[in-house]
Amino acid sequence: DAGVIQSPRHEVTEMGQEVTLRCKPISGHNSLFWYRQTMMRGLELLIYFNNNVPIDDSGMPEDRFSAKMPNASFSTLKIQPSEPRDSAVYFCASSLAGPDAPLHFGNGTRLTVT
Amino acid sequence: GNSVTQMEGPVTLSEEAFLTINCTYTATGYPSLFWYVQYPGEGLQLLLKATKADDKGSNKGFEATYRKETTSFHLEKGSVQVSDSAVYFCALDSGGGADGLTFGKGTHLIIQP
Repeated sequence: DAGVIQSPRHEVTEMGQEVTLRCKPISGHNSLFWYRQTMMRGLELLIYFNNNVPIDDSGMPEDRFSAKMPNASFSTLKIQPSEPRDSAVYFCASSLAGPDAPLHFGNGTRLTVT
Repeated sequence: GNSVTQMEGPVTLSEEAFLTINCTYTATGYPSLFWYVQYPGEGLQLLLKATKADDKGSNKGFEATYRKETTSFHLEKGSVQVSDSAVYFCALDSGGGADGLTFGKGTHLIIQP
């Protein structure tokens, strides 16, 4: 099993540019989560999907952030336009929905917006 | 709402020392509790879990006991190694796994040889 795969590993962009982060969950998992990690706020849940349907996006900080899951094996998180305060590590995680199911995290995308 | 509070880091110990990282939580109902570990440059990995009161989760020499009366889930290890250096996250799940976990802010552990 390849685990959760995220790309790119590192992204450096200028303020105002569009950024797209990608995630391939573990095959067979039906829940997918996007988290953001910063020193100040720790891990924040941005949005999660069950069976490709967005369930709760209340953690998405602003309308500049959007996420899609067009099929069970792919999700994107887009920031448009990006700002320096968006700099963080963004993690995707997947799991089998159900009690006590552990999350399986990707290695993250480190985003730097200059 | 749900919340998890962990001791602030970094925690610096010598090799073979005894480790305790405190974790307390606030939640409705009876959550499941987890410890995750994050090594440099990697995502979080599940270390151990406990799903009901008085359960003890254990893995790789680490242990944590679900204490409902004190709403705590402290992580312990009897003899730490340099390879245990990482960031440790306490987390809870009160939604049956369907809506993600609530994480603490993480505790950075540094083990010196």
